[in-house]
Amino acid sequence: AQSVAQPEDQVNVAEGNPLTVKCTYSVSGNPYLFWYVQYPNRGLQFLLKYITGDNLVKGSYGFEAEFNKSQTSFHLKKPSALVSDSALYFCAVRDSSGGYQKVTFGTGTKLQVIP
Amino acid sequence: GAVVSQHPSRVICKSGTSVKIECRSLDFQATTMFWYRQFPKQSLMLMATSNEGSKATYEQGVEKDKFLINHASLTLSTLTVTSAHPEDSSFYICSAIQPERANYGYTFGSGTRLTVV
Repeated sequence: AQSVAQPEDQVNVAEGNPLTVKCTYSVSGNPYLFWYVQYPNRGLQFLLKYITGDNLVKGSYGFEAEFNKSQTSFHLKKPSALVSDSALYFCAVRDSSGGYQKVTFGTGTKLQVIP
Repeated sequence: GAVVSQHPSRVICKSGTSVKIECRSLDFQATTMFWYRQFPKQSLMLMATSNEGSKATYEQGVEKDKFLINHASLTLSTLTVTSAHPEDSSFYICSAIQPERANYGYTFGSGTRLTVV
């Protein structure tokens, strides 16, 4: 079974400060990891993914995430937060072993960027 | 890029009536689509996996007779909430896999806010 944990329901950060949204995962094989963002009353938008290769992944809107296999983590980061980054962020994982295996989502972290 | 269109974005219906939600992949063929329900405390619950030309696979605890899923073509899946009740009020989201980009995760529709009065 695979699972994702987002330990923080909400993260508050001042505009211009760096932000981190935490994610840890559990899969039996090698993980495919994803971050999505959701704005109010909207679907989820893809931010970035880790499939293989460089552990530091860069994505949309200046976000990046670092895959850490030993800590089974995939934290989302941005050097300088914008008010417009305020949204709900979901981490997701699936096992890399073939087929359209279900993606498992975390419970989401609400990011609030304070002007 | 892959686009998934979901319609309607909002619907209000009376208790006891049925509501159909459509999910279309606009620029790719999606053999597999997924339906989620999002609860007020944010979490996404996978309801079912919709496979073109075959019966949907429902997650444990989801009533298949209440949430009817049809995936009749490679670009369209529908979710019908039958005999809706106020407790069915929720935000429903569909997603699809673009086969040649399966490793890229899902593309999501914009969601449907269902309110049953």
